[in-house]
Amino acid sequence: GAVVSQHPSRVICKSGTSVKIECRSLDFQATTMFWYRQFPKKSLMLMATSNEGSKATYEQGVEKDKFLINHASLTLSTLTVTSAHPEDSSFYICSAIPGQGSNEQFFGPGTRLTVL
Amino acid sequence: LAKTTQPISMDSYEGQEVNITCSHNNIATNDYITWYQQFPSQGPRFIIQGYKTKVTNEVASLFIPADRKSSTLSLPRVSLSDTAVYYCLVVGGSQGNLIFGKGTKLSVKP
Repeated sequence: GAVVSQHPSRVICKSGTSVKIECRSLDFQATTMFWYRQFPKKSLMLMATSNEGSKATYEQGVEKDKFLINHASLTLSTLTVTSAHPEDSSFYICSAIPGQGSNEQFFGPGTRLTVL
Repeated sequence: LAKTTQPISMDSYEGQEVNITCSHNNIATNDYITWYQQFPSQGPRFIIQGYKTKVTNEVASLFIPADRKSSTLSLPRVSLSDTAVYYCLVVGGSQGNLIFGKGTKLSVKP
């Protein structure tokens, strides 16, 4: 099946710094990628939809200036958590859909962010 | 997007068949029913998808009654490694956002 990777797998940073998380579709092109956040023992919450070549669409309550999304190519989307704070500590997961007409999403392995 | 309801948790023993039922009363005509599995600190993994009646693959079976207002994921002969959270989602016919419910935490005991 299609493979989605994320980098880094885990990151620890100081409060106030910015962290970039990469999501790559390794063997397919993805015009649309999704970013989710998952707190401990909670379900995944959709943050935004990343569209190649256009602005991301953010879910209600997600600050677009804090969570910057760039989808510059058909295989790469990045999520930058700006001025991170301890409450941003979470598990960030991306997913991608391989091609038009398919609704099966393939998920990355996730990135564990810890903000001290 | 149709809301789904499924049990919060289930317990089973190795070798048993496990059936997890999900209700989705307001499913739309072009919606598919999709199940994902998630292990701790990993991304969800696609298990199976169906529209109606029965779908079977090497991992599981999915039973969908005629009214499509519910579905049942059947895992044959579970093992300890099947301990995970299982999510039932209703997905639109075209590319769309996935809205995850709380899922069912399945615990398989020896």
